[in-house]
Amino acid sequence: GESVGLHLPTLSVQEGDNSIINCAYSNSASDYFIWYKQESGKGPQFIIDIRSNMDKRQGQRVTVLLNKTVKHLSLQIAATQPGDSAVYFCAGNNDMRFGAGTRLTVKP
Amino acid sequence: DTGVSQDPRHKITKRGQNVTFRCDPISEHNRLYWYRQTLGQGPEFLTYFQNEAQLEKSRLLSDRFSAERPKGSFSTLEIQRTEQGDSAMYLCASSLSVGAVLTGELFFGEGSRLTVL
Repeated sequence: GESVGLHLPTLSVQEGDNSIINCAYSNSASDYFIWYKQESGKGPQFIIDIRSNMDKRQGQRVTVLLNKTVKHLSLQIAATQPGDSAVYFCAGNNDMRFGAGTRLTVKP
Repeated sequence: DTGVSQDPRHKITKRGQNVTFRCDPISEHNRLYWYRQTLGQGPEFLTYFQNEAQLEKSRLLSDRFSAERPKGSFSTLEIQRTEQGDSAMYLCASSLSVGAVLTGELFFGEGSRLTVL
């Protein structure tokens, strides 16, 4: 069965606000975890990853937090823009299965 | 290299017909994956190859489905006697692994959308 899952299926935010997307995982065997973004009509694309020995990693406008104690990942997007509207998935590097994802909608 | 490419991008077929999709992975990637995705769902794992060996098949992959990667490069996914329930986006992805360990993210193609009438 699936070893990753998302807490919320949809998230709607106002443009300019920060977004937080959550993910729970059960497979602890992964060396790192990856966030993917899937825009309508396209395949998922890599956003950011985090090694399992890290708690936090920052990208340009994204931050990923890893809490191994409760097996939880979050993706924070700062100053959310309309182009961030998409479905977001998390996955472990040793796991080929995805959850349903979270659909982020950014309202202008 | 232009990434993972899939062909055709769209296929409309009548129920009962056979269809074949092709995936060309990133050239140096040794792993190739097939997923199926329906509206509002995440990609569902179907099968994956490491080089030419098919290492895992999901129970979603009924006997009407067959995938091959004969030379460890491109792969084909064939669906025989298509049913309306086969209508979905079929995604291919590739990655690099060292032995059993995936060393990077999956690179996805744009998908092949199948509509069975």
